[in-house]
Amino acid sequence: ETGVTQSPTHLIKTRGQQVTLRCSSQSGHNTVSWYQQALGQGPQFIFQYYREEENGRGNFPPRFSGLQFPNYSSELNVNALELDDSALYLCASSVSRGGSGNTIYFGEGSWLTVV
Amino acid sequence: QKEVEQNSGPLSVPEGAIASLNCTYSDRGSQSFFWYRQYSGKSPELIMSIYSNGDKEDGRFTAQLNKASQYVSLLIRDSQPSDSATYLCAGSGGFKTIFGAGTRLFVKA
Repeated sequence: ETGVTQSPTHLIKTRGQQVTLRCSSQSGHNTVSWYQQALGQGPQFIFQYYREEENGRGNFPPRFSGLQFPNYSSELNVNALELDDSALYLCASSVSRGGSGNTIYFGEGSWLTVV
Repeated sequence: QKEVEQNSGPLSVPEGAIASLNCTYSDRGSQSFFWYRQYSGKSPELIMSIYSNGDKEDGRFTAQLNKASQYVSLLIRDSQPSDSATYLCAGSGGFKTIFGAGTRLFVKA
């Protein structure tokens, strides 16, 4: 148990639709990162939020967007879903101390299937 | 070029043996390294973190870091069937943590 909770755990969407995934970070953690993990691959960094602002982004198109709220919870939004968006979406929380290499703790993930 | 590389395996070891998992990284700015274990259908869970050159031991697990060679390893002593999983190596030097594709480990009873 990491204290990071995600919802929903599983969902099926149709190509072209939009999806919102939610995450509550571990108590005391102020930074949230989102990762996409396709089958057989390692987690791929989507973006990170700190103090309600995106402070880093991986190689994902703008239709992947996010929010962080004052209580440090977060949302991942994906517009215009494509079949290749089918994956496990992982939320990870950490404490940003201004340095590098913060340890991240994952939630259970949200399994997204796009048909 | 992949930033963190791992042999995908599978690595198969008998119960009670030592499993050795290896990882190389390309970003010399990476300062912190992590090993996560991921069971099939589950999310990754942190096993070890290592920040300095040398060895770090925690129970049956030993992480090794060599920054000059850009090499990280994980040794699992007295391997158990419950250790069968995918092991993800990760490095972090800034705002993001980069993961390898993972090594699948099978421990045969």
